[in-house]
Amino acid sequence: QQQVKQSPQSLIVQKGGISIINCAYENTAFDYFPWYQQFPGKGPALLIAIRPDVSEKKEGRFTISFNKSAKQFSLHIMDSQPGDSATYFCAASMGGDYKLSFGAGTTVTVRA
Amino acid sequence: DGGITQSPKYLFRKEGQNVTLSCEQNLNHDAMYWYRQDPGQGLRLIYYSQIVNDFQKGDIAEGYSVSREKKESFPLTVTSAQKNPTAFYLCASSPDRGGDTEAFFGQGTRLTVV
Repeated sequence: QQQVKQSPQSLIVQKGGISIINCAYENTAFDYFPWYQQFPGKGPALLIAIRPDVSEKKEGRFTISFNKSAKQFSLHIMDSQPGDSATYFCAASMGGDYKLSFGAGTTVTVRA
Repeated sequence: DGGITQSPKYLFRKEGQNVTLSCEQNLNHDAMYWYRQDPGQGLRLIYYSQIVNDFQKGDIAEGYSVSREKKESFPLTVTSAQKNPTAFYLCASSPDRGGDTEAFFGQGTRLTVV
C-alpha cells in the first residue's frame, strides 16, 4: 500500500493564485520529505525538501509546511504561473535508507 | 554534461518477449533505482542498488530483473512474466549523503506492448 497519501489528484488555479497540495504519512521513522516536479514526458526533478525539525521552508514562490504531530506536510505555490503547470509528487524517506516512497501525484494546471 | 541517460525513449514489445531498458549515469552516484510510473499511481519502486554487484527488490519486482556490474550502469529487463508492462519507466541515482535521499532522474523510457 502507498506509504504517502497525496491529495488532490488534480487542481486548476488561475494565474496569480495559490496552489496547495497535501500529503500525509504513517511511518514516524520518515525524516526527509522532498517534493518533485515533473513536466510531461520528462523525469521528475527535486523542487524543495524539508526535515521534521522545521515547520516551514520557503524557496522563492514554493513553501513546504510541515506538521509533525499530524504527520502531514503540504506544498504551497504562491503567485502561480503557467510555467508551474506540471505534476507534483511528495515523497518521504528514513535516515540511512536509500528508498523514497512517493505519493500518487497532483497535476496542477495554471490558467492564464 | 553530468546526468542520467535512459535509452531508448520509446520501446515497443510484442507479448512474450523480454526487453532491456538501459540506464547510465556519470554522476559517480553509488545508489541507482528503477521506478515504474502509471497514471494516478505515482512512482512505484521496482529495484534498487546501493553498490556494485548488489541489488534489492522494491515494491513491484515481479516480472523484472536487473544487474549492477558497473557503478555507472543499471539495466532493467522486463520479462515475459510481467503481465502488464506498458508503462513509463524511470531510472534514478542518488549520492550517499547519509540520509537525505535526493534522487536524480533520467528522462524515462515509455514501453508499449503491441
